[in-house]
Parts: sequence; structure tokens; C-alpha cells
Amino acid sequence: GAGVSQSPSNKVTEKGKDVELRCDPISGHTALYWYRQSLGQGLEFLIYFQGNSAPDKSGLPSDRFSAERTGGSVSTLTIQRTQQEDSAVYLCASSKVRGLQETQYFGPGTRLLVL
Amino acid sequence: KQEVTQIPAALSVPEGENLVLNCSFTDSAIYNLQWFRQDPGKGLTSLLLIQSSQREQTSGRLNASLDKSSGRSTLYIAASQPGDSATYLCAGKRSFGNEKLTFGTGTRLTIIP
Repeated sequence: GAGVSQSPSNKVTEKGKDVELRCDPISGHTALYWYRQSLGQGLEFLIYFQGNSAPDKSGLPSDRFSAERTGGSVSTLTIQRTQQEDSAVYLCASSKVRGLQETQYFGPGTRLLVL
Repeated sequence: KQEVTQIPAALSVPEGENLVLNCSFTDSAIYNLQWFRQDPGKGLTSLLLIQSSQREQTSGRLNASLDKSSGRSTLYIAASQPGDSATYLCAGKRSFGNEKLTFGTGTRLTIIP
């Protein structure tokens, strides 16, 4: 079946512009996660959705970052007034089962470059 | 705060050799631990997931172990192949209800034909 998809695959933007990144999880997966992978920083958690609500937003680095999920499916991560330090690969993951047996399935990522 | 470390950061071995990748974590209250591989320019592929009550999991040539008391997990790859070349990441989940994964720094593995 189809895996997690993300769009765009690459995005180049100018400092100060807003960007939207999209994630389509695997059908039927109720949990959705956003992570960021930066050079020298490793892979960091940003936000977690269960259905349309976000019980854990603790990884969002600033108020310029926001995310929403609608219909328990597609999620959008928005970065306002982008800065050069926002350049990274943004990864989305989804999972079906909470708890011990949960496996998170990752999308290919969106590579964001802020000039 | 959970910290996950992987040593070495990079490893090169000749094809056919068996090898072990190491993962250390600071918080023994780990709920489960997952091993992923990441190919250049690609997302993450889940390899194995070990629940906190388990000591190891096997899939084909891969075997992962978990020792909560020592804060360590290992990924054993038997009879390595060039296709095994990738970056390997371990990630822990701290508790049920705290759903995020805390990732290690990764080991970049190169299998030399």
C-alpha cells in the first residue's frame, strides 16, 4: 500500500517568507508526527497529533512554527518569517497502534533551504 | 531528559563481516526502542522494534538487543552486504502517553565490496 507522502520534496525560499509543508499519512493511521533533521543537530521531535488534536507541541522551536491536522488525515506544518537556521529536512511519520508495539512509518521528507 | 548516543559515528567494514552497532541511552525508563536505517536523501525505514519487556528481536540477518539496566541496545548485522550501507539510527520512546521518539546521533555504515 501507499506509504507516508510529503510535499514538496524540496523547497527553496528567501529569508522572511512563509512556507507550508504537507504530510499525507498512511490511511487509517491516527497518530502523526513531525520531526526535523538538521546538520549537526540530529533528528528532533517537533509535534505529535492524535487525530486532529496535538497533545505534544513541545518540540516546536518558536512561535513562528505551527501545525494543523484536518479530518484526522493530512497535516500541514507552517513556518512563518523563515530564518536561515530553519534550513533542514522536515520528516513526517504516522502510526496506527499506540503503545508497546507502535512502529512509526516515515515519509521521504521535505528539504527546506532558506537563503 | 533522555539522551541517546551512538558510537561510532562512522564505520567501514569489508563485505561479509559480521558487525555490531551500539546505542546508549541515559533514561532506563524506556518504553520501547526502535532501530531505523536512512539512505542518502531518503526517509527512515524501520528495521526492528524492541518492547521494554523484551531482550531481543530478530529479522533476517539483523538482531537487536535491549538491556535497560545498562542503558544499551545493539544492532547485530550478520554477513554484511554492500546494500547494508546506510546510516543507522536508534530511537527510544520514554513512556506510554509520551509518544515522541528521541533519536540517537546515528552511525554511518559503509560496506566495502
